Formats: sequence, structure tokens, C-alpha cells
Amino acid sequence: NAGVTQTPKFQVLKTGQSMTLQCAQDMNHNSMYWYRQDPGMGLRLIYYSASEGTTDKGEVPNGYNVSRLNKREFSLRLESAAPSQTSVYFCASSWDSPRIEQFFGPGTRLTVL
Amino acid sequence: TQLLEQSPQFLSIQEGENLTVYCNSSSVFSSLQWYRQEPGEGPVLLVTVVTGGEVKKLKRLTFQFGDARKDSSLHITAAQPGDTGLYLCASFKAAGNKLTFGGGTRVLVKP
Repeated sequence: NAGVTQTPKFQVLKTGQSMTLQCAQDMNHNSMYWYRQDPGMGLRLIYYSASEGTTDKGEVPNGYNVSRLNKREFSLRLESAAPSQTSVYFCASSWDSPRIEQFFGPGTRLTVL
Repeated sequence: TQLLEQSPQFLSIQEGENLTVYCNSSSVFSSLQWYRQEPGEGPVLLVTVVTGGEVKKLKRLTFQFGDARKDSSLHITAAQPGDTGLYLCASFKAAGNKLTFGGGTRVLVKP
């Protein structure tokens, strides 16, 4: 099992460009999450999907959109990238309750110039 | 506003020494998790504590949950270079399912 996979691993964008970060999990988890990690800030929740077909905002959703394509895949889109979105992005998944354990992908390092 | 305060932010010690990192909040935790993150990877869950006063051990790691469920600590005995990493605490609000992370403590164990 690959667990949680993310693509790409690194990306450099110019201000105003758009891109989609891809995430897939093969553990048959219902819930999936997108976080961003900035130095000294820990991880902050951007969006999450409790089950296929549902999405909800987290702590820092502005400037992002998400799509739960199916049970396996959860993508994060930046429509018009800004330098403030320079960060490391992590996707995670869990069984029905996130309180049990969240499994994280290896992250995508995004730089917006 | 960050709900979880971790201290210290950075800790550098020699192999064989002991260390303790702390996680504090002004709010009561319904449960608290500790994660370790190595460079270039995502966090990995170490433990979940639920009951006030609870102590859990994972080999050389000891996790304590405060009686009032507002604080937690992670103690590593005889640290090894393999313990190097970013240690994150995370918690849920009482009725919520959104995980909130602390800022992390970066631990460096030198051989």
C-alpha cells in the first residue's frame, strides 16, 4: 500500500498563476484533509471532506478550492496564486473519525514568486 | 489565534541526555495527539491521550496529559539521533472534528 500520495513534490509559480495539487489514498478512508505548514505555525487546516461528495472549510480556506473527486482523491486548487500561499501543503486521510489517527502524505513544497 | 502553545521552539541536546517538550492551552482538550515529523515527510502519529492524568509510554518516550486536560508533555529518556525531528501536539475542541496543531518543537539530538 502506498498510503497517501501527493503530486507534485515541488512547484514554483508566478503570482496570478493557477495550479491543482493532487492527493490520493489507498486505505479506503472516508475523510480527507488539506493542511498548510508554515515555519513556527504548525499545520493549519484549509479544507476537509468528511465523506465522498462533501467538503467543508477549515481554518484558512481563503484563496483555495477543493474537489473530492471520488473516495480516493481529494484535490486542492489555487485559482490565482499569491506569495502568501508559499508553504508546504499536506494531504491527510482518516477513517470516519479524525480523532483516531490521520495519515499524512509527504507534502508539496510550493513557492509563489 | 493559535490555541496550542508548544515550548521550547527548539532544543539541541547530546545523545544520551533527557528532554521534555510541553504543550499548553487555555482551553480544555477533549483529547490530544502527539506527532513526529521528519524532514521532507508528513507527520506520523505517536500517541493519543484522552483521560486527564493519563500517562502513556512508547519505548523511551513518555507522554503525560494534565489532570485538567489543558496541558501535556512529552519526555524522551536517553535521546538518540533517531529522535531528531519536529514534535507537534494537536487537539480537538470539545464538540468538533477539526484538528488544531501547535507550532511544534524542533529537536536535534547530536551524536
